[in-house]
Amino acid sequence: GENVEQHPSTLSVQEGDSAVIKCTYSDSASNYFPWYKQELGKRPQLIIDIRSNVGEKKDQRIAVTLNKTAKHFSLHITETQPEDSAVYFCAAKNTGGFKTIFGAGTRLFVKA
Amino acid sequence: DADVTQTPRNRITKTGKRIMLECSQTKGHDRMYWYRQDPGLGLRLIYYSFDVKDINKGEISDGYSVSRQAQAKFSLSLESAIPNQTALYFCATSDLSGSSYNEQFFGPGTRLTVL
Repeated sequence: GENVEQHPSTLSVQEGDSAVIKCTYSDSASNYFPWYKQELGKRPQLIIDIRSNVGEKKDQRIAVTLNKTAKHFSLHITETQPEDSAVYFCAAKNTGGFKTIFGAGTRLFVKA
Repeated sequence: DADVTQTPRNRITKTGKRIMLECSQTKGHDRMYWYRQDPGLGLRLIYYSFDVKDINKGEISDGYSVSRQAQAKFSLSLESAIPNQTALYFCATSDLSGSSYNEQFFGPGTRLTVL
């Protein structure tokens, strides 16, 4: 069935360093790839997304890249800050379908 | 602000008890979802609904049932709770159109413990 694998499960970086989280998906019909951030005790919220007709998208310190051939997509956070500490979920969806498939999540720790 | 709300926020119950988790939204969205979050397993879909007359099973629907009482209300029931249903449960909504039509808007979550 449809599956999204996410790595690493835990990531610890020093403040100011970059963080990279990688995902792979199985359904070649997926064409929408959102990333959600869940702070401790809070609900997941969308932080950035990318569609299959685009290879890269940036929003300030965060960027996503997509390699459709390899079915890989990644989240890049530059100049990390303590407030970036959270669980990040990648996801994949076929916009013609109904379900969003989530990865297992990456817990990011940014050490001050 | 338009929002998604869940009640209760926390619940402790015993094995075999029936429990209902409720979700309401003021976003005017047609699509509603119930997810379960467990450490290391991400968000897994239990049920989803596209309108009052449409209910669909997700990947882990066994042991759960749902009711879509109105466009704005979607309830999740555990008919006979068991300890491995201890988890954090999220309701979510999404729109059928507009620039955010693929985005999931989550409620604050219900932490359920089954003893």
